Amino acid sequence: AQSVSQHNHHVILSEAASLELGCNYSYGGTVNLFWYVQYPGQHLQLLLKYFSGDPLVKGIKGFEAEFIKSKFSFNLRKPSVQWSDTAEYFCAVGSGAGSYQLTFGKGTKLSVIP
Amino acid sequence: DTAVSQTPKYLVTQMGNDKSIKCEQNLGHDTMYWYKQDSKKFLKIMFSYNNKELIINETVPNRFSPKSPDKAHLNLHINSLELGDSAVYFCASSQRGTGNHGYTFGSGTRLTVV
Repeated sequence: AQSVSQHNHHVILSEAASLELGCNYSYGGTVNLFWYVQYPGQHLQLLLKYFSGDPLVKGIKGFEAEFIKSKFSFNLRKPSVQWSDTAEYFCAVGSGAGSYQLTFGKGTKLSVIP
Repeated sequence: DTAVSQTPKYLVTQMGNDKSIKCEQNLGHDTMYWYKQDSKKFLKIMFSYNNKELIINETVPNRFSPKSPDKAHLNLHINSLELGDSAVYFCASSQRGTGNHGYTFGSGTRLTVV
């Protein structure tokens, strides 16, 4: 069975600081990787996804993530955060072609201080 | 047009009652899901249906019963509600195809059992 670990439970940054949220997964086969964002009181929205090809994936709102297969990692980055990035961020993994299920990490809460 | 819509958005009810949450998607996806998000924001899959067929049935009390009248609808019925059922319930859909392309989530139903 696959699992996802997000190392940081709560990250607090000042505006303009750089962000990196860690995500590691455990699964031996082909994986599809995702980052979702949940703004306060709202539903989850897809930030970016990786299936194959270039391991550096660019998403919406200036976010990017890098898939490092040897480290089973898919860390999320943003060079300069804004107050509006305050949200909960979830990493998720799907086990490749034909997979139905996404397994989510426990989430990282990001608080950006103006 | 809302892609995945859930009703109601909020539900407050007494212990022991029976309630239903409805979900509809207009994306033409063939797979739908119910997830439970607890107070710590942890997302746990409950059920998944593909073309009206139950394909994922995680360990949840049998007081929870999903019903999928067609591939665009997945409802969740809960009998004999308990305090521990209080959570946000998210419906999601995806197109299985040749790979898991991620979910589109509904806006959630916040269930409070008093």
